[in-house]
Formats: sequence, structure tokens, C-alpha cells
Amino acid sequence: QSVLTQSPSASGTPGQRVTISCSGSSSNIGRNTVNWYQQVPGTAPKLLIYVDNQRPSGVPDRYSGSKSGTSGSLAISGLQSEDEADYYCAAWDHSLNAVVFGGGTKLTVL
Amino acid sequence: QVQLVESGGGLVKPGGSLRLSCAASGFTFSNYYMSWIRQAPGKGLESVSYISSNGRTIYDADSAKGRFTISRDNAKNSLYLQMNSLRAEDTAVYYCAINLRNNWSGGFDYWGQGTLVTVSS
Repeated sequence: QSVLTQSPSASGTPGQRVTISCSGSSSNIGRNTVNWYQQVPGTAPKLLIYVDNQRPSGVPDRYSGSKSGTSGSLAISGLQSEDEADYYCAAWDHSLNAVVFGGGTKLTVL
Repeated sequence: QVQLVESGGGLVKPGGSLRLSCAASGFTFSNYYMSWIRQAPGKGLESVSYISSNGRTIYDADSAKGRFTISRDNAKNSLYLQMNSLRAEDTAVYYCAINLRNNWSGGFDYWGQGTLVTVSS
């Protein structure tokens, strides 16, 4: 059971906008920033969003992040076939003194 | 460019020990916090352990407490994870990762390719 809660799956068609949500609590997202990762099976995770809404250099602006209260969201616009991957949220948890992750959302591009 | 290369994984019997290493290059290793994160086969990501740039501050996730020890050698640009009393549930790919903002926020900018640890009799 992951500390952060994500829907197990999401899907969309090419060109569509998809949103993936991450629900936490006052000990993690409620007081700390949210990060998002993309992982293609068999490869290491890639940082997509840090500090709620910042994109590392090289990450397309089709990816955007937001946070409200104890929840964070990742939006992907102009969906492309290469976006098909697993997506994880993460945040520091002050009660656990650890980075906690969501269980992951598998995105399928139909 | 930043490179993180893990090694030391393999097959070990329950109760056994392994020492993982992560060789860093392309950045000033001694300036940055480092972390170990693992992923069991077909499962999600799980924190293991974190260490500050000078090694004085360490956080261990529940999965690591009492059994795993994170350390670093800044002179060798290397991060280590000593794993003792291994259990079947420790079977996972172990990644080392760096946070360029040098905080405990969970934003890991670079990851190694991972090393597989299999605990089985």
C-alpha cells in the first residue's frame, strides 16, 4: 500500500490531454513539493516535474504539474504514442522522514 | 555529463549480505546529497536510504532500518549500500540517484541504470 495514492491506469488518444492525480496528506504533499517521474518499462525513472510545477531542461512543455492542498496533478497535453509509460508521484514525508512514492499510473495511448 | 553506475547486485541467500556501489562522474560528487531507491519486479518505486553531501546526515526508510547502511567516499566519488540480513522481499532493482537541489524533496534529477538484487535460496 503506497503512501501516495494514484489511479492504477489512465488512457487517451493521440492529441488528447490527460491528467494523472496523486493524493497525499498533510505530512507529505500538504507541506512539501511534489515531483513526477516517467518510467518506460526496463529503464530507470526520468524526472518530469519537480517542485510542483518545474520542468527539468529537455522536458517538453506538454508536461505540466500543479498542486492544491494535499493533492498533486500531472497533465500531459498533445498526447503522443511515446508518452505510453508508467508515471509516479513523489514527495518528502515529514512523519516518515522518507521520500514516499505513489503506486504508479500506467498510461496507455489508444 | 552526469553518470551514475551501480554494481554489486546478484543472487544471495536469505540472511546473506551484499554491498552495492554507485560510481559517480560528470559532477562534483562531494557537493550533493545521494539516495538509494529500489523497485521490486513489477512493482512501484520505494525509498531505501539517503545521505547528505558530507555524510553526516542519513535517513533510512523503514525498509532499511537496522539492516542496511548507506555510506559514501567523496574521495572515490562513490556511494555504497551495505545490505545485511537480506530477505526475499528485498529482491529488487536498486537505483542510486542524485537531487541537484541538495534537499530531501524527492526530486531526483539523475538515476543510474540499476543493479538487480535477488534474494532466494
